[in-house]
Amino acid sequence: EAQVTQNPRYLITVTGKKLTVTCSQNMNHEYMSWYRQDPGLGLRQIYYSMNVEVTDKGDVPEGYKVSRKEKRNFPLILESPSPNQTSLYFCASRPGRGYNEQFFGPGTRLTVL
Amino acid sequence: AQKITQTQPGMFVQEKEAVTLDCTYDTSDQSYGLFWYKQPSSGEMIFLIYQGSYDEQNATEGRYSLNFQKARKSANLVISASQLGDSAMYFCAMRVGHLTSYDKVIFGPGTSLSVIP
Repeated sequence: EAQVTQNPRYLITVTGKKLTVTCSQNMNHEYMSWYRQDPGLGLRQIYYSMNVEVTDKGDVPEGYKVSRKEKRNFPLILESPSPNQTSLYFCASRPGRGYNEQFFGPGTRLTVL
Repeated sequence: AQKITQTQPGMFVQEKEAVTLDCTYDTSDQSYGLFWYKQPSSGEMIFLIYQGSYDEQNATEGRYSLNFQKARKSANLVISASQLGDSAMYFCAMRVGHLTSYDKVIFGPGTSLSVIP
């Protein structure tokens, strides 16, 4: 089944403890993105990648890192999480330039205490 | 600044009636794309419809149509014959740079639609 998977789906952690949220897609898509969703703000793009080893900042990159070493994987790294990073995180992918629909993962609910 | 505005935090519609969800956008890019997504209470993001900035015809997908008025910078979603399953949060979004070297996507704050039996 063609899909975007995220792990973990739920995570409660403490301030300062490094964590990684994984994202993987099995559709051979070139483009991948990370978003965070907060009430009243909609989704905000954190980082995106247009190909392997090509990443760029979205609107809210502070406090996050990403890497794209393989086409299928696009992990989101929080080196030192803080409570203001408590949010719902979505990974998404799309085939590439000229293709419009983004395919979203199921979301990761992160709570930082 | 690139921005999406959705001025209706919440909307109610009677089942089988049509409803329009408003969206206005702001960008200085000449090439951009506009999207609508649906997010039911289960949380997944469902793609509904897309309109390119150079498309002359309004996009339609089944019961969904996008009323694109470029001069007014508006991209309203029209849902015809509402169903109970249409109750959800709806997000308008814009992609800029999709034919260039960047790929930014901006979402609006969303409109919560409730369909009344």
